[in-house]
Amino acid sequence: ETGVTQTPRHLVMGMTNKKSLKCEQHLGHNAMYWYKQSAKKPLELMFVYSLEERVENNSVPSRFSPECPNSSHLFLHLHTLQPEDSALYLCASSQDWRNTGEERYRELFFGEGSRLTVL
Amino acid sequence: AQSVSQHNHHVILSEAASLELGCNYSYGGTVNLFWYVQYPGQHLQLLLKYFSGDPLVKGIKGFEAEFIKSKFSFNLRKPSVQWSDTAEYFCAVNALSSGGSYIPTFGRGTSLIVHP
Repeated sequence: ETGVTQTPRHLVMGMTNKKSLKCEQHLGHNAMYWYKQSAKKPLELMFVYSLEERVENNSVPSRFSPECPNSSHLFLHLHTLQPEDSALYLCASSQDWRNTGEERYRELFFGEGSRLTVL
Repeated sequence: AQSVSQHNHHVILSEAASLELGCNYSYGGTVNLFWYVQYPGQHLQLLLKYFSGDPLVKGIKGFEAEFIKSKFSFNLRKPSVQWSDTAEYFCAVNALSSGGSYIPTFGRGTSLIVHP
């Protein structure tokens, strides 16, 4: 049990489908992240939310749309994806000390990931 | 933008061998450094971290890492590996991004296989 739960664990979708990935954290954190993990590449940061406000968007294509309705839940809405978007999508959470200037100490807690295959 | 390089992509060792995984980062300011581990079929989890003070930090399961500021390095070591250390290891740096926030940046990972 990681404290960060991702669903579904596996998803296969066509390029014209619309689907969503869900992440829920039970750790009382107030910052949440989406990372993309592809083979032979560094983990790529996609989005960061702190206190439900998006604070970082790492030039991600608009076919990926995040939503953070509250500090415990994070969604990644997927629409008209490409085969190269197939990857493991990781959600993480942390305690955000952004307002105290101590955010650089934050440690991430990860979910087990959602394996996405785009046909 | 900051970057993290892990030069060893695949490492294969026998049990009891010593391990050193390289990690270099490119950022001139204050950094906080982490090693995360991902065991087969499990989630990424923290192995150890460095914020300040003694540059030699110890983590779980006998791992340690040394921060060498002049070399921009944070190499991971273990004197004697076990089969259960088979995993993917990721180096990460918290550094100030262009957006003004401290964002964890990861390396591409090193796959370690330990033969019994």
